Amino acid sequence: GAGVSQSPRYKVAKRGQDVALRCDPISGHVSLFWYQQALGQGPEFLTYFQNEAQLDKSGLPSDRFFAERPEGSVSTLKIQRTQQEDSAVYLCASSLGQPAGGPREQYFGPGTRLTVT
Amino acid sequence: GENVEQHPSTLSVQEGDSAVIKCTYSDSASNYFPWYKQELGKGPQLIIDIRSNVGEKKDQRIAVTLNKTAKHFSLHITETQPEDSAVCFCAAPLGGGADGLTFGKGTHLIIQP
Repeated sequence: GAGVSQSPRYKVAKRGQDVALRCDPISGHVSLFWYQQALGQGPEFLTYFQNEAQLDKSGLPSDRFFAERPEGSVSTLKIQRTQQEDSAVYLCASSLGQPAGGPREQYFGPGTRLTVT
Repeated sequence: GENVEQHPSTLSVQEGDSAVIKCTYSDSASNYFPWYKQELGKGPQLIIDIRSNVGEKKDQRIAVTLNKTAKHFSLHITETQPEDSAVCFCAAPLGGGADGLTFGKGTHLIIQP
């Protein structure tokens, strides 16, 4: 079946521009995560949704970063007034949710590579 | 919160040999330990995972072992093949009730044909 999709795959923004990155999770997946991956590093957690509720945004690096999932399906990560340090790959992941037994596998999309010039 | 350290950063082995990558974690309450591989230009893909109620899990050539006392878990790949080459990441729950994962810095696994 279809996996997690993200668009655009590549985005070049001039410093100061706003960008919006889209994530389409696997159908039926309750949980949705955003991660930021700098070159040569592991992914770093940004934020987490359960359905439409944003339950954890502790990883968002500044108030320029904003995420939403208004209907509990597609999610958008928005970065305002982009800075060079925002250059990274932004990964979206979805999962069926966390049962009483603990976390479930997260399925990752291919990511959006953001370059801020 | 949880802190995960991964070693080595690069591992080169001959095709057919075994590869072992090790991670340590800090939060004794962590209960889920996945391993992901990532190929160039793609998102991470789950290789294998283990929960804290077992000490070992195998899937054909791949195994993961967990030592809760020492707080470390390892990925074992036997009979390595060139297509195993990738960057491998270990991960653990962020901790403190958070649902996201914290990842190690990755191991660049190179299988020499």
